[in-house]
Amino acid sequence: DIQMTQSPSSLSASVGNRVAITCRASQSITNFLNWYQQKPGKAPKLLIYAASSLQSGVPSRFSGSGAGTEFTLTISSLQPEDFATYYCQQSHSTPRTFGQGTKVEIK
Amino acid sequence: QVQLVESGGGLVKPGGSLRLSCAASGFTFSDYYMSWIRQAPGKGLEWVSYISSSGRTIYYADSVKGRFTISRDNAKNSLYLQMNSLRAEDTAVYYCARDARLGDYSDYWGQGTLVTVSS
Repeated sequence: DIQMTQSPSSLSASVGNRVAITCRASQSITNFLNWYQQKPGKAPKLLIYAASSLQSGVPSRFSGSGAGTEFTLTISSLQPEDFATYYCQQSHSTPRTFGQGTKVEIK
Repeated sequence: QVQLVESGGGLVKPGGSLRLSCAASGFTFSDYYMSWIRQAPGKGLEWVSYISSSGRTIYYADSVKGRFTISRDNAKNSLYLQMNSLRAEDTAVYYCARDARLGDYSDYWGQGTLVTVSS
C-alpha cells in the first residue's frame, strides 16, 4: 500500500497568513493526488484534484503543486472560513490512502 | 443539484450485520464510480471501497475485505454497503461519495451515517 504522510500535523496561523501543507507519498504517484477540507461535523469537501487542478467553486487562494512523491497545498491568504482539517489522498492505486490530516487553527 | 443521502446506520453488536444505503439524485448515477469512506470518532479518513459505474469493477480496503460488500442498483440510483462480522474498530461515520474521472477523486460527499459496534 502507498503511505501518505502530511506535515505538519497541526499549525496555528493568523488571518491573512500564507499557509503551506506538505504531503509525501511512499512511492511515486505521478499527479494522482487530491486535497480535501473538512470542518467539524461536516463531510469532506474536494479542493484540489490531480495535484494542481482547482475544483469548481473553490476560491483561488487555494492552490496545489507537486508531482512524484512530494506535494503542497498552499493557502495564499488565510480566511476565517479556512480554519479546518485538510487531508491529502492518493488515487494512483488501491487502496486509495489518505494522509493523517493537518489541522489549521487560529493563532 | 447533486445530493447523496446515506441511511442504515445504527448500533449493532460485535459479529452483527448492517446494510448501509446511499440515495443519489441530481446527476446520472449510472455514469459514475461511487465510493464508501469512513471516519472513526476523532480520527482521520479511511477509504473503504469503490465500485465502477457498471458494477463490474470493485475494490476493498484490506481491513474490510471478506466482510463488507459494495453494490449498486443503477435503476434505483442507489449505492449499498453490506457489512457483516462487524467489529468495534468498524465504528465510524460512513460517507458515500461520487467519484469523478473513473474514480480518481471524490467530488461530492453525503452527510454520513454513524455505525456504532458495541455490546
